Amino acid sequence: QQPVQSPQAVILREGEDAVINCSSSKALYSVHWYRQKHGEAPVFLMILLKGGEQKGHEKISASFNEKKQQSSLYLTASQLSYSGTYFCGTQGALFVSGNTGKLIFGQGTTLQVKP
Amino acid sequence: DGGITQSPKYLFRKEGQNVTLSCEQNLNHDAMYWYRQDPGQGLRLIYYSQIVNDFQKGDIAEGYSVSREKKESFPLTVTSAQKNPTAFYLCASSAIDRVDYGYTFGSGTRLTVV
Repeated sequence: QQPVQSPQAVILREGEDAVINCSSSKALYSVHWYRQKHGEAPVFLMILLKGGEQKGHEKISASFNEKKQQSSLYLTASQLSYSGTYFCGTQGALFVSGNTGKLIFGQGTTLQVKP
Repeated sequence: DGGITQSPKYLFRKEGQNVTLSCEQNLNHDAMYWYRQDPGQGLRLIYYSQIVNDFQKGDIAEGYSVSREKKESFPLTVTSAQKNPTAFYLCASSAIDRVDYGYTFGSGTRLTVV
């Protein structure tokens, strides 16, 4: 039940916008977004919770459509530093006692921003 | 500063050998996770643990073993039963009582079979 990300790869010029989608076949409690630079560890960007609002910081934001089990990551006015591979991670039902559960990651979307 | 430390950064394994990857965190997180990443691929869950002395298999646990004797430590052993162990291994932790927190990842161990 790995979530499906689209597109697989995106090439942009600085200043252009991009949207990365994440779709699951299972009901979701939350969606995480991470960015990974080549050879490094993934870095947490944001989390969207069931029943929550669209989140964002600076020029990166995301939405979560609970009915469709989909999330989208929006990168506006892209910068060179935005280059990397973006992963969504999905959580289904919480563990018993209300604690958070394991994340299942999508296959990733590679974003390349050119000058 | 708090964080997760993985060691070694690079590891070479001979055929038939068991090797152990270290993961230590000082974030006081209850949950810890091991993921495997193959070139151009996503992260696949190997094992995870919510509390000390308890852990569960992920999607690709065959050929791997773990222990959780201390809250801070979650070592992963790649056994000789794992036929294709060459990959990038990532350890992560999370605060399970904070639903709005993401995972913190270590810097990874790159394992190569020689």
